[in-house]
Amino acid sequence: KQEVTQIPAALSVPEGENLVLNCSFTDSAIYNLQWFRQDPGKGLTSLLLIQSSQREQTSGRLNASLDKSSGRSTLYIAASQPGDSATYLCAAGEFTGTASKLTFGTGTRLQVML
Amino acid sequence: DAGVIQSPRHEVTEMGQEVTLRCKPISGHDYLFWYRQTMMRGLELLIYFNNNVPIDDSGMPEDRFSAKMPNASFSTLKIQPSEPRDSAVYFCASNRGQGSTDTQYFGPGTRLTVL
Repeated sequence: KQEVTQIPAALSVPEGENLVLNCSFTDSAIYNLQWFRQDPGKGLTSLLLIQSSQREQTSGRLNASLDKSSGRSTLYIAASQPGDSATYLCAAGEFTGTASKLTFGTGTRLQVML
Repeated sequence: DAGVIQSPRHEVTEMGQEVTLRCKPISGHDYLFWYRQTMMRGLELLIYFNNNVPIDDSGMPEDRFSAKMPNASFSTLKIQPSEPRDSAVYFCASNRGQGSTDTQYFGPGTRLTVL
């Protein structure tokens, strides 16, 4: 059974800092690895998706990397802003035929201070 | 597109009562997923459907939980009878099922409180 762990559980940084969120998973036979953002009282929004054959994906100030052999993914946020404050969840995707069945980590709660 | 729609957004009920949560997926999406989120256990997959057919219900906690998808635009998650430990946020998500590049789109969730 896939298990996903995220470290740290919470993080508080001043505006402008570059930061790294970590995700580890136990079963390397993943279909894809996804990063989501969750704002308080809201649903999840997809940020980045890395297919199992890829090493990284980038979107704006966000960069996610994947190392299947070590069971790790990192989300790098450059030049953090107060609007980045949210909970970030990673999810390991398992192949089901066509869709990915996701196993989520417990998230990293990020606060970016002015 | 309006995105995934869930109702109600908040539900407060008493132990033993029946609770029905509703979800409308994004039009054209073939897969629908029900999740539960708690502080203790995080986000857990309960059940998912493909083309209205339940594929995997291994995450459904017990027989008090049931889910249906009578058509492509509507699904329900029912708890009968409800218990205080069922208190959580329940999310519905959908996607097209187009392989490893296809993410899931989440609704805003239903916050359930069982007293």
